[in-house]
Amino acid sequence: QAQLQESGPGLVKPSQTLSLTCTVSGGSISSGDYYWSWIRQSPGKGLEWIGYIFYSGNAYYNPSLKTRVTIFLDTSKKQISLRLSSVTAADTAVYYCARAQSPGYYFDLWGRGTLVTVSS
Amino acid sequence: EIVMTQSPATLSVSPGERATLSCRASQSVSRNLAWYQQKPGQAPRLLIYGASTRATGIPARFSGSGSGTEFTLTISSLQSEDFVVYYCQHYNNWPPLFTFGPGTNVDIK
Repeated sequence: QAQLQESGPGLVKPSQTLSLTCTVSGGSISSGDYYWSWIRQSPGKGLEWIGYIFYSGNAYYNPSLKTRVTIFLDTSKKQISLRLSSVTAADTAVYYCARAQSPGYYFDLWGRGTLVTVSS
Repeated sequence: EIVMTQSPATLSVSPGERATLSCRASQSVSRNLAWYQQKPGQAPRLLIYGASTRATGIPARFSGSGSGTEFTLTISSLQSEDFVVYYCQHYNNWPPLFTFGPGTNVDIK
């Protein structure tokens, strides 16, 4: 049974870079069957897809965040990493790592999420 | 860009009754539509994919229907644990983009 676990700092200062890691356990990260995504949810708000990366390393991002986001894969460590630069208070959210099926494009596996607060 | 809307924003239903939640796409998305349930403090859980296929372990009281621009999630007989928030989600092939609806909160009448 595959599991996802997010990790990283819970507090980031404005204008700095948010960095999170998602570790995959109990399953393969190097499969063409999945897209590995980051999704966030601001307090009391809905879900916003940030971007995804395929096992090949190809990544796609939400156009609204594209200029600030990088997602990359470390297959040896079975990790998916997120970097979001120039953060503001609007980036305060619970950040989820999630696996989307290919094809189908639905999220069948989620991490528990990690709260990141942007504050000085 | 395809915009997803959900209605109503809040649905008040009595336990044991049926709940009908709506999701609409601004243009046809075929059957590329999924539904999720989110309980407070938890990650979303996949309920339905391909508009009508129940995910593994999802009770039969949850059903999905629709295609094109209009979709429905029906909960046939609400249990206490079903009074939470539900989201629909679409995937756009190009440009690659996952879009969630704003959610429907099902609360106790």
